[in-house]
Amino acid sequence: GQSLEQPSEVTAVEGAIVQINCTYQTSGFYGLSWYQQHDGGAPTFLSYNALDGLEETGRFSSFLSRSDSYGYLLLQELQMKDSASYFCAVRDMLNAGKSTFGDGTTLTVKP
Amino acid sequence: EAQVTQNPRYLITVTGKKLTVTCSQNMNHEYMSWYRQDPGLGLRQIYYSMNVEVTDKGDVPEGYKVSRKEKRNFPLILESPSPNQTSLYFCASRGPGTKNTEAFFGQGTRLTVV
Repeated sequence: GQSLEQPSEVTAVEGAIVQINCTYQTSGFYGLSWYQQHDGGAPTFLSYNALDGLEETGRFSSFLSRSDSYGYLLLQELQMKDSASYFCAVRDMLNAGKSTFGDGTTLTVKP
Repeated sequence: EAQVTQNPRYLITVTGKKLTVTCSQNMNHEYMSWYRQDPGLGLRQIYYSMNVEVTDKGDVPEGYKVSRKEKRNFPLILESPSPNQTSLYFCASRGPGTKNTEAFFGQGTRLTVV
């Protein structure tokens, strides 16, 4: 089985940097993905890490440490529009069709 | 435009009345999947399909059926809906192989069973 843990809520101010952590337990591991979801809308893909290290995409970066079963999403220069829920997700190595999502972190950006 | 289309977006139905939520993608993706999302929870996988005529259970398949007769469509069927199936449902698709990590999601179907 697979399980992921992430904080339920994070609050930060506009222009700041925030880190959303995700720890996972899996029987096999393809990589860690991150998705953003605004107010019950369609989740949208943000980033993916298959190997250890940092992946950068504009203001968003994602980090993975496979030895620690840990990853994080880093959001820089926060904007009000970044207020949303963020989910980490893993795919099952033994069964590529199965995906497991964390319960999500609600980020609130304040002026 | 690449997209995943779900219909209907909103549905209120009564217990026991069979319903189908449709999902269609125009990206020629082999992989499609259904999720449900309940308040405060992440997306839980209901069923997935690796290709035409190939489907398998996710983590919460009870009370649901799916079919994959053609590549673009992956309908979700509730034969006898119950109030505990009131939820927000998402369909998603993804390209083949391990390198295709980005899943594309539909806009969601908000189902209420009374």
